[in-house]
Amino acid sequence: DTGVSQDPRHKITKRGQNVTFRCDPISEHNRLYWYRQTLGQGPEFLTYFQNEAQLEKSRLLSDRFSAERPKGSFSTLEIQRTEQGDSAMYLCASSIDRGRDEKLFFGSGTQLSVL
Amino acid sequence: RKEVEQDPGPFNVPEGATVAFNCTYSNSASQSFFWYRQDCRKEPKLLMSVYSSGNEDGRFTAQLNRASQYISLLIRDSKLSDSATYLCVVNSYNQGGKLIFGQGTELSVKP
Repeated sequence: DTGVSQDPRHKITKRGQNVTFRCDPISEHNRLYWYRQTLGQGPEFLTYFQNEAQLEKSRLLSDRFSAERPKGSFSTLEIQRTEQGDSAMYLCASSIDRGRDEKLFFGSGTQLSVL
Repeated sequence: RKEVEQDPGPFNVPEGATVAFNCTYSNSASQSFFWYRQDCRKEPKLLMSVYSSGNEDGRFTAQLNRASQYISLLIRDSKLSDSATYLCVVNSYNQGGKLIFGQGTELSVKP
């Protein structure tokens, strides 16, 4: 399977716990995005990387959220001290930066439930 | 104001109907535009890019109006399999090039 891979598919945690998600992009893709999606809404931009550089982090993202892409390949998204409002689907997508023709390929997502 | 806004749904149409979705974007410097499709409990997938001259792919036609900052998607002869959420996506290079999604418009095609 050469698509975008996310792990785990589902995560149930208690409020206050830390969680970490992993994303493995398509191997030749230099861009990697994290989005969050709740029911009835479109994917909300969280952050993105070009190779290992984090280009932008959404203003909506609190300091409890951090993402890394240490070698420009896989990425991790960590949420510290989870809150019930963090419950959502966390989607990872990768692309090749082709300027105006950039197309995203998504993973299946990690569904987070905070109890 | 949201950066990308779409028609609120859901749209419920019979098979064979023609349906149109609209999307507006706030950043006049936006350069790239796309429609993605998302099936229930699945990840979004690219449906088509939207070009300035308008483009067509089978029963699907996408149009871009830069002056009014809106994008449209027309689906002709709707099929049951077209039932999904349609997401408008905009890329703004003066904002670092990130891709921003609208909230989506749900389409339900009935027999």
